[in-house]
Amino acid sequence: GAVVSQHPSRVICKSGTSVKIECRSLDFQATTMFWYRQFPKQSLMLMATSNEGSKATYEQGVEKDKFLINHASLTLSTLTVTSAHPEDSSFYICSARDRTQEGTDTQYFGPGTRLTVL
Amino acid sequence: QKEVEQNSGPLSVPEGAIASLNCTYSDRGSQSFFWYRQYSGKSPELIMSIYSNGDKEDGRFTAQLNKASQYVSLLIRDSQPSDSATYLCAVNMWGFQKLVFGTGTRLLVSP
Repeated sequence: GAVVSQHPSRVICKSGTSVKIECRSLDFQATTMFWYRQFPKQSLMLMATSNEGSKATYEQGVEKDKFLINHASLTLSTLTVTSAHPEDSSFYICSARDRTQEGTDTQYFGPGTRLTVL
Repeated sequence: QKEVEQNSGPLSVPEGAIASLNCTYSDRGSQSFFWYRQYSGKSPELIMSIYSNGDKEDGRFTAQLNKASQYVSLLIRDSQPSDSATYLCAVNMWGFQKLVFGTGTRLLVSP
């Protein structure tokens, strides 16, 4: 299957700082990437859909000025958590859509980034 | 009504048995259906995809799709303790880029 990487895998930062998370599709081009957040023992929550070369589409309730998404190339999307606070501590997971598999859409997930804000 | 529904479980089966995981969805226009496995503390991993009515087999896994009943299932044969995880059903609804996920079914396979 297709491979998606994320960096960093784990980050600890002080309250008020910004954190950038990178998501890369390693062996396919992804015109669309997705960013999810998951709190302990809870379901995946879609934050935003990122299309290459255009503005991201945010889900209801997700602050676009706080969670900045950039999808500058077909293999890279970044999520920046600005002015992070302890309540932003979570597991952030990206996925990339591969449209070549059987002619339909398949999403592959990165390994996730665990963010802890002190 | 939730768009994608799964029983949260846990579903407990003994090692070697067949585990049957079920999922229903609300949108009749849905095109693509996926099963992901998520171990605790890890990201989801694609197990199976299915697009047409009927069965699709891959090793110990069989996905079953019935669009008339809006029902998709995953069978795991010869269940192993290493299969213990949360299984997420995901549906790609017509006209949407995103997948809609169920809340997942937790499977426990006891030795």
